Amino acid sequence: SQQGEEDPQALSIQEGENATMNCSYKTSINNLQWYRQNSGRGLVHLILIRSNEREKHSGRLRVTLDTSKKSSSLLITASRAADTASYFCATDGGTGNQFYFGTGTSLTVIP
Amino acid sequence: GAGVSQSPSNKVTEKGKDVELRCDPISGHTALYWYRQRLGQGLEFLIYFQGNSAPDKSGLPSDRFSAERTGESVSTLTIQRTQQEDSAVYLCASSLMGAKNIQYFGAGTRLSVL
Repeated sequence: SQQGEEDPQALSIQEGENATMNCSYKTSINNLQWYRQNSGRGLVHLILIRSNEREKHSGRLRVTLDTSKKSSSLLITASRAADTASYFCATDGGTGNQFYFGTGTSLTVIP
Repeated sequence: GAGVSQSPSNKVTEKGKDVELRCDPISGHTALYWYRQRLGQGLEFLIYFQGNSAPDKSGLPSDRFSAERTGESVSTLTIQRTQQEDSAVYLCASSLMGAKNIQYFGAGTRLSVL
């Protein structure tokens, strides 16, 4: 399977703490994306990082990419209860057509 | 519309029946994707439409699954002779050509096959 894997599967933190989740993938890529999914809802795009980028920031989000290790990390700083959701990484497998989603990290932020 | 719309939001059917799921993409989005998400799992790619090009059907799990899209508008995903293992949330996403990597998702159709 070309599907990626997120680690950890579940994460529970206190509000205000930082949350870090990791993604590993198997194929070459053009880009890697992170999405958030609130319970019972569709996915919302958070951030895209291209294969020639190593780090990207968007508000409280920081994404890193290491293509040599085929891995990425998502850091959410100063977490809020509203950040409670599942987070998925997705890669394009180098083709740009199919997208391969990981199994997700379930984040719970305790107020 | 303002976002990707899917209907119905929930569908309960009996094993062996056919079901049809509908997706209305964001106006102007030429790319459309269907995914399946089983409980507690990631998204499984099913099919991809890009404009008038031949669709990429490589993710369809069996010949019971088919999808159509007319031009750049509505798409329907049909599952024939449903099985219990078809129970899942079916998600649709659309994106702009040229920026097709950023996908906008609908809320999904939760299918339960009894």
